[in-house]
Amino acid sequence: GESVGLHLPTLSVQEGDNSIINCAYSNSASDYFIWYKQESGKGPQFIIDIRSNMDKRQGQRVTVLLNKTVKHLSLQIAATQPGDSAVYFCAENTPRGGGADGLTFGKGTHLIIQP
Amino acid sequence: GAVVSQHPSWVICKSGTSVKIECRSLDFQATTMFWYRQFPKQSLMLMATSNEGSKATYEQGVEKDKFLINHASLTLSTLTVTSAHPEDSSFYICSARDPQARNIQYFGAGTRLSVL
Repeated sequence: GESVGLHLPTLSVQEGDNSIINCAYSNSASDYFIWYKQESGKGPQFIIDIRSNMDKRQGQRVTVLLNKTVKHLSLQIAATQPGDSAVYFCAENTPRGGGADGLTFGKGTHLIIQP
Repeated sequence: GAVVSQHPSWVICKSGTSVKIECRSLDFQATTMFWYRQFPKQSLMLMATSNEGSKATYEQGVEKDKFLINHASLTLSTLTVTSAHPEDSSFYICSARDPQARNIQYFGAGTRLSVL
């Protein structure tokens, strides 16, 4: 079935540099996308979201870009800090109806911060 | 962001017993909650959608008689793993949709289930 995938399983960046985490999705009917951060042994933490009628959204130190033409989503983290080390998941919501709902998660990218 | 509390955080049980996991939205009312399962070094897989006051909607391949879901109030959903077996050992995570915050799904801290 269709699913959300990622380009890289691990990303290593220098502290202070910008990080870019990519995500490819295949379901053109998806209308909402979210980025989550998950630290080891914990639940996912909301970072930022974007709806399909937008192509860019900014938060504190983070920016999400959505390219519907190529079905691509990215998360940019500015001035990466040690506390940013975690696994990052993109997730998509596809309207299904009939009481079924919930998010489809990508495989995750492990962001490693080098001192 | 909104707070979702999950309890217990860790449980060990014998094969054949049942385990109940609670998920509470602490500062908002959630008509819709979700249950996910995550195996080590893998992504989250949706198990079911829990709707307040109605039956849960299960994803394909998830046994509804094994994973009982009850959403009796706007702030509480429970997942009961019945007759647990070692292959049910996993990290179970709930989420709740906050209608006051663009319907963002906020997640609990997860429950680590180990079945001996």
